[in-house]
Amino acid sequence: DAGITQSPRHKVTETGTPVTLRCHQTENHRYMYWYRQDPGHGLRLIHYSYGVKDTDKGEVSDGYSVSRSKTEDFLLTLESATSSQTSVYFCAISDPFWGQGEDEQYFGPGTRLTVT
Amino acid sequence: TQLLEQSPQFLSIQEGENLTVYCNSSSVFSSLQWYRQEPGEGPVLLVTVVTGGEVKKLKRLTFQFGDARKDSSLHITAAQPGDTGLYLCAGETRGSQGNLIFGKGTKLSVKP
Repeated sequence: DAGITQSPRHKVTETGTPVTLRCHQTENHRYMYWYRQDPGHGLRLIHYSYGVKDTDKGEVSDGYSVSRSKTEDFLLTLESATSSQTSVYFCAISDPFWGQGEDEQYFGPGTRLTVT
Repeated sequence: TQLLEQSPQFLSIQEGENLTVYCNSSSVFSSLQWYRQEPGEGPVLLVTVVTGGEVKKLKRLTFQFGDARKDSSLHITAAQPGDTGLYLCAGETRGSQGNLIFGKGTKLSVKP
């Protein structure tokens, strides 16, 4: 299994508070991703990173920011949590080989966030 | 917006039956992955298909990539309770910087 951990695994927070989720990898993969998974929507990309300090927005980036100061850590911050951000958040890593048409992503165990 | 449509959404079968899950799109993919996810865990990669018409087998699971690389199928022979889970397909398009488009998943329940 790919060495990916997420912390915390569960969190309950109140509307309006800031929340930071952490993803840590030991695989030295270049790319890291944050997804949210909701019933009826599947997995949706929030932000991704293609290297230290290099990040870009995904499909549902509003209300979220990310930072990557080290290869192994990718942080997701909800500046002011809202109830619509209640979800299960997954981190993933990959190391694409361009030109070979393959990008295999390996997922962490997830963080269940509840915003009350 | 690129979409990957998975069908069926839900499937409940008896142990020993065969089943097929479909993944369709109007987009052409450079590769397509299938993942399996169990409750409370992250998705786990099962297989990657790259070439149009490609067929890959993983024990009782057979994966096929369409000739035009717009669709894929997963066939399970003689399903077992251990196959229960959420099956996700995900496609990568050229120039997407490794970003995957995920289908909404097929929730499979295999009853003993």
